[in-house]
Amino acid sequence: DIVVTQSPDSLAVSLGERATINCKSSQSLLYSSDNKNYLAWYQQKPGQPPKLLIYWASTRDSGVPDRFSGSGSGTDFTLTISSLQAEDVAVYYCLQYYTTPWTFGQGTKVEI
Amino acid sequence: QVHLVESGGGLVKPGGSLRLSCAASGFTFSDYYMGWIRQAPGKGLEWVSYISSSGTLTHYADSVKGRFTISRDTARSSLYLQMSSLTAEDTAVYYCGSPNVGWGQGNLVTVSS
Repeated sequence: DIVVTQSPDSLAVSLGERATINCKSSQSLLYSSDNKNYLAWYQQKPGQPPKLLIYWASTRDSGVPDRFSGSGSGTDFTLTISSLQAEDVAVYYCLQYYTTPWTFGQGTKVEI
Repeated sequence: QVHLVESGGGLVKPGGSLRLSCAASGFTFSDYYMGWIRQAPGKGLEWVSYISSSGTLTHYADSVKGRFTISRDTARSSLYLQMSSLTAEDTAVYYCGSPNVGWGQGNLVTVSS
C-alpha cells in the first residue's frame, strides 16, 4: 500500500500570512501514460464534508479561491495558502488515488 | 454544479445490513470512477471502496472486503454500497464521490445494539 504522510500535524498562522502543508508519498504518484500526478487536496471544517480544493496535484477546483495552490510531482507535494483568511481554519487532507487502496494523509489542522 | 446526495444510513444492530445510495448530478457520471470513503467519529478519512467508470472493476479496503459490495447504475447516475455483517467499527459518516469531483454531504451509519 502507498503510505501518505502529511506534515506538520498542525500549524498556527497569522491572518494574511502564508500557510504551507506538505504531503509525502511512499511511491511516485506520477502516471507516465498521462503525465498526471494522482494527488488531491481537501479542506474539512467541523461538521462538514471534505471539500475538494485541488486535483491532479495542481488543478484548482471550480470556485476555489486562487490563494489556494498545489504543487509538486512524484512523491513530494505541497498545498499553499498564500494569505490566510479566517474562513480557512480547517483540517486539510491529501489523498493519493494513483492506486487502490486510495490513501489519505493523517490531516493537518490549520489555526489562526 | 456537482451534486452528490447519500441516503440509506441510520441505526443498525451488530450483524445487520444496510444499503447506502448516492444520487449524482452536475457531471457526466459515466465518465468517472467512483468510490465511498468514511469518517469515524473524531477520526480522519478512510477509503472504503472503488468502482471503475464501466462498473466492471471493483476494489475494497481490507476492513470491509467480503462484507461490502459496491455497484453503480449509469442510467440512474447512482452509486450504491451494500453493507452486511456490520460491526461497531463500521460506525462512521459515509461519503460517496470521486477524487476529482468531490464528495457528498455524508450519511451517518451507526452500528449499536
